[in-house]
Amino acid sequence: EIVLTQSPDTLSLSPGERATLSCRASQSVSSSYLAWYQQRPGQAPRLLIYGGSTRATGIPDNFSGSGSGTDFTLTITRLEPEDFAVYYCQQYVTSPLTFGGGTKVEIK
Amino acid sequence: EVQLVQSGAEVKKPGESLKISCKASGYSFINYWIGWVRQMPGKGLEWMGIIYPGDSDTKYSPSFQGQVTISADKSISTAYLQWSSLKASDTAVYYCAKHARGDYVFENFDYWGQGTLVTVSS
Repeated sequence: EIVLTQSPDTLSLSPGERATLSCRASQSVSSSYLAWYQQRPGQAPRLLIYGGSTRATGIPDNFSGSGSGTDFTLTITRLEPEDFAVYYCQQYVTSPLTFGGGTKVEIK
Repeated sequence: EVQLVQSGAEVKKPGESLKISCKASGYSFINYWIGWVRQMPGKGLEWMGIIYPGDSDTKYSPSFQGQVTISADKSISTAYLQWSSLKASDTAVYYCAKHARGDYVFENFDYWGQGTLVTVSS
């Protein structure tokens, strides 16, 4: 099973600041099979990024994904109030599909 | 418009059985894998398994194999998750979600249901 480790657990930032979230895999994951999701309180997760760097439909361009091998990054260039949420990475290269433990982006 | 509408919250006792549902609309139900994801209180997301409604092929995470059953009724575009004997540790929100690409058995989820809260308590 591929284990995904996200860091930090919590990121305390102010609106307008840049957020950089990390997702590290226990073994190499093709970037084609790495996704990022956003989950706001009380809501279902929402797909942000798939294929490592492709934004899902309707996702604004201040969200970007990058990385390869075992290290992946989600960057939010300017935090809007609605961006304060929990973010999860997911690998879908092999079963069982796994999610990272999540990074909470909170208002400082 | 793609929609996944899940059944309502459930409160059950340990040892009871339960079947929750996820009704799909707005796309070809039989041609896309649909899966279930668990979220225990205050915790992260766990992939439980998926089903291809076209032929009922099913894949489970080893962590959930034998603990739950995933099924689908293509005549009413509905997927199910069921337990034969609930435990307190099954208390969680359960999400159904649809694969982004139809033929890909391992894929990301592009649409999610609203979640079903299952509470198991004596």
